[in-house]
Amino acid sequence: AQSVTQLDSQVPVFEEAPVELRCNYSSSVSVYLFWYVQYPNQGLQLLLKYLSGSTLVKGINGFEAEFNKSQTSFHLRKPSVHISDTAEYFCAAYYNQGGKLIFGQGTELSVKP
Amino acid sequence: GAVVSQHPSWVICKSGTSVKIECRSLDFQATTMFWYRQFPKQSLMLMATSNEGSKATYEQGVEKDKFLINHASLTLSTLTVTSAHPEDSSFYICSASGRTYYNEQFFGPGTRLTVL
Repeated sequence: AQSVTQLDSQVPVFEEAPVELRCNYSSSVSVYLFWYVQYPNQGLQLLLKYLSGSTLVKGINGFEAEFNKSQTSFHLRKPSVHISDTAEYFCAAYYNQGGKLIFGQGTELSVKP
Repeated sequence: GAVVSQHPSWVICKSGTSVKIECRSLDFQATTMFWYRQFPKQSLMLMATSNEGSKATYEQGVEKDKFLINHASLTLSTLTVTSAHPEDSSFYICSASGRTYYNEQFFGPGTRLTVL
C-alpha cells in the first residue's frame, strides 16, 4: 500500500541550530513529493516539491530537501532555524496510481530561544 | 501561484443544523477538488474527491449523506455538513488541482467548525 512515514512526531530545537525532518515514502515507479507547513488554525502552505530533475530541491524560507530514490526518503533540512519556523510540517506523496495525495503523520517543529 | 479560498473561516452552529462551506479556486480552473478533515494534532484525512460536473467519490467510512459535496463549476465546490453534531466539530480543508497543475494540489486556509 502507498504510504508516507514521518519518523519524528516532535522535533525540539534551539534557534539558529540546523534541523532535519525525516520522511520516507513507499516505493513507486512514479511519485511526486511535497513538504507543507501548517501554522495554527491555518491551511497548508507549500514549502517545496520534487517532481523530477535535480534531487536537491530548494524551497521557501530557506528550506531544502533531497530526494533519495534508493532510500525512498525525502528529508527536509534547514541550516539555521528561527522562532518563526515553529509549526507543523507535513510530508506528502502523490502517486500516479490512485491520484491521491498521501500525507505523513506530521512533525511538530518547536524552535526555542 | 494558484490560490484557493474557503468561506467561512470559522463557524459555530447548534446541533441539528446544517452548515455549508465553500471552496473556490481564484485564478485557475479546478477540475478536481478535495475535501479533508483534520482533528487536533493529527494529519489530514481525505474525505472525498470531486470532479467538476460529476458526483463526488467518498473515502471509506465517510457518510455521503452526512457530508454532501457539490462541484458545480470549475471554480467552486461546496461541502454541506447535514444535521451537524458535536462530533462533527473539526477543521475542514479543501484543495484543488487543475489541468495545468494535475499532479499538485493547492490548499485553502481551512474552516473551523464548532457544533454546540
